[in-house]
Amino acid sequence: DGGITQSPKYLFRKEGQNVTLSCEQNLNHDAMYWYRQDPGQGLRLIYYSQIVNDFQKGDIAEGYSVSREKKESFPLTVTSAQKNPTAFYLCASSISGTPGRTYNEQFFGPGTRLTVL
Amino acid sequence: GQQVMQIPQYQHVQEGEDFTTYCNSSTTLSNIQWYKQRPGGHPVFLIQLVKSGEVKKQKRLTFQFGEAKKNSSLHITATQTTDVGTYFCAGPSGSARQLTFGSGTQLTVLP
Repeated sequence: DGGITQSPKYLFRKEGQNVTLSCEQNLNHDAMYWYRQDPGQGLRLIYYSQIVNDFQKGDIAEGYSVSREKKESFPLTVTSAQKNPTAFYLCASSISGTPGRTYNEQFFGPGTRLTVL
Repeated sequence: GQQVMQIPQYQHVQEGEDFTTYCNSSTTLSNIQWYKQRPGGHPVFLIQLVKSGEVKKQKRLTFQFGEAKKNSSLHITATQTTDVGTYFCAGPSGSARQLTFGSGTQLTVLP
């Protein structure tokens, strides 16, 4: 059964602690993304990766870090430098496709709700 | 940078009434995508529009892409309680398959 998994579903952390959110996909997608969603708001891009061992900052990368050592995995670390980390974090993936051609849909994982205490 | 604006932010309708959400981009889009997020859930892809003036239907949902490819709309006919959720439009941005999402329209359907 193909899809994207994120763990844990709920995560609590104390101020000053780093925390890593897991994202795994078995869709054989090249591209993976991390978004942040705050209550009543849209999705804001944190980081994205088009290929293994390569990733780029999105619109709100400060206080976050990622790695892409395997095609299937794109973990996100929320560091203590992130001023307001409480949010809903969504991971997504898509087929990269051919440059210049129609973009492809993104498939989302179930998300992780992070609360900083 | 590119901005995608969506209105209204919230919409409450009685079951059976119609609903429309509008999406406007600051730049011309090569395509536009629509997603639905149920309460407590994650966004799910609904459709992609590519051609200028394109209209696509999915049962009670009608999607339109403007002639200038800078705006789009989603219209739901005779809403049902299963239509509850937030509807997002998204347009491509950057050079690497990024999407810029609108802020979404949260639909509440009153029984």
